[in-house]
Amino acid sequence: QLQLQESGPGLVKPSETLSLTCTVSGGSISSNSYYWGWIRQPPGKGLEWIGSIFYSGSTYYNPSLKSRVTISIDTSKNQFSLKLSSVTAADTAVYYCASPRLSGYSPWFDPWGQGTLVTVSS
Amino acid sequence: QSVLTQPPSASGTPGQRVTISCSGSSSNIGSNHVYWYQHLPGKAPKLLIYRNNQRPSGVPDRFSGSKSGTSASLAISGLRSEDEADYSCAAWDDSLSGLVVFGGGTKLTVL
Repeated sequence: QLQLQESGPGLVKPSETLSLTCTVSGGSISSNSYYWGWIRQPPGKGLEWIGSIFYSGSTYYNPSLKSRVTISIDTSKNQFSLKLSSVTAADTAVYYCASPRLSGYSPWFDPWGQGTLVTVSS
Repeated sequence: QSVLTQPPSASGTPGQRVTISCSGSSSNIGSNHVYWYQHLPGKAPKLLIYRNNQRPSGVPDRFSGSKSGTSASLAISGLRSEDEADYSCAAWDDSLSGLVVFGGGTKLTVL
């Protein structure tokens, strides 16, 4: 059974780069059956799709975040990562990793990680 | 401001049936499938409904989804205390470059 777990710093300074990793267990990140994605939820607000990646390296990004986002995959560690540059307080959120079904553009996410809170503050 | 509109709160008593609405437009719900998620505090969000009205294995049949035009609904029958959670809808949006969009979430309280 596929399981996902986020990890990374809980505090990032404004203008710096937020970096998170999602470790996959119960399945291979190199499988052509899975896509891998990131979603976030700012405090008191709804969920926001950040983007997704396929094991081949193909990426799919939210147009509003595309200029600042990089999602990458490390098959040797069975992990995928998120980098968000030039962060501001508006990037403070709980960040979730999840597996979108069927395509990198799918809203069908199953399963999800538990989420990790990242606060942007000096 | 979320692209999909949900009521911020809903409530019901044990055993009741409650519905949560999700309103969108022709570029998202009107032309694509709707998905529903349940979030319990401190836990991983859980897929409840996929492709408008399909339940993953393990999701009780008390949960059901429907879609009509540019709106969708999640219904929970035989309400139980453990159903108290946040519920969010999601869909693909065909506008501009395309993206996944979510509702703002509905906090369900079991009275």
